[in-house]
Amino acid sequence: DVKVTQSSRYLVKRTGEKVFLECVQDMDHENMFWYRQDPGLGLRLIYFSYDVKMKEKGDIPEGYSVSREKKERFSLILESASTNQTSMYLCASLGQLGDTQYFGPGTRLTVL
Amino acid sequence: SQQGEEDPQALSIQEGENATMNCSYKTSINNLQWYRQNSGRGLVHLILIRSNEREKHSGRLRVTLDTSKKSSSLLITASRAADTASYFCATVLNNAGNMLTFGGGTRLMVKP
Repeated sequence: DVKVTQSSRYLVKRTGEKVFLECVQDMDHENMFWYRQDPGLGLRLIYFSYDVKMKEKGDIPEGYSVSREKKERFSLILESASTNQTSMYLCASLGQLGDTQYFGPGTRLTVL
Repeated sequence: SQQGEEDPQALSIQEGENATMNCSYKTSINNLQWYRQNSGRGLVHLILIRSNEREKHSGRLRVTLDTSKKSSSLLITASRAADTASYFCATVLNNAGNMLTFGGGTRLMVKP
């Protein structure tokens, strides 16, 4: 079974802090994704990566950056956290193109 | 705006009844996928239906796809309390096949 893990289930940070959310997958998938999920807005794609060191912006990249130094790890970075970044963050990976995405358990981030 | 829109937004039924959720989308798709999310958790893939398929079954799940109407439905038969979750449809938009767009989801509650 594909396993996608995220570094934290719950995280509380203060405004202005730098925040790292880590995601690791164990299936040698090339594509990895970061989404945020907010009530009434569904899942929105922040960034995705289709190969090591390669990234593309999703629908809402503002305020975020990403890092993919190794194939199995995709990090989401909030350079200076703001309260409007309080959300549930979901990481996913994709094996074959057009196939299903495998999701991690999510990180609920609260920015005070 | 979201590519997929689920209907209804919320559904409450008794155990043993069937649950039907609908998804409409706006542009041509490669495939359409249904995911389930238990409260506060990551998404779990349920079923994928390709654009050249009209119906697909998996256990108690039945998915239909009508590309002429740009709509899909998910039917859960003989529902159980454990089916209580949010259900999302997602469509693959790009030719690369690595980007999913999610709808806002249907919250299903199955009462024992």
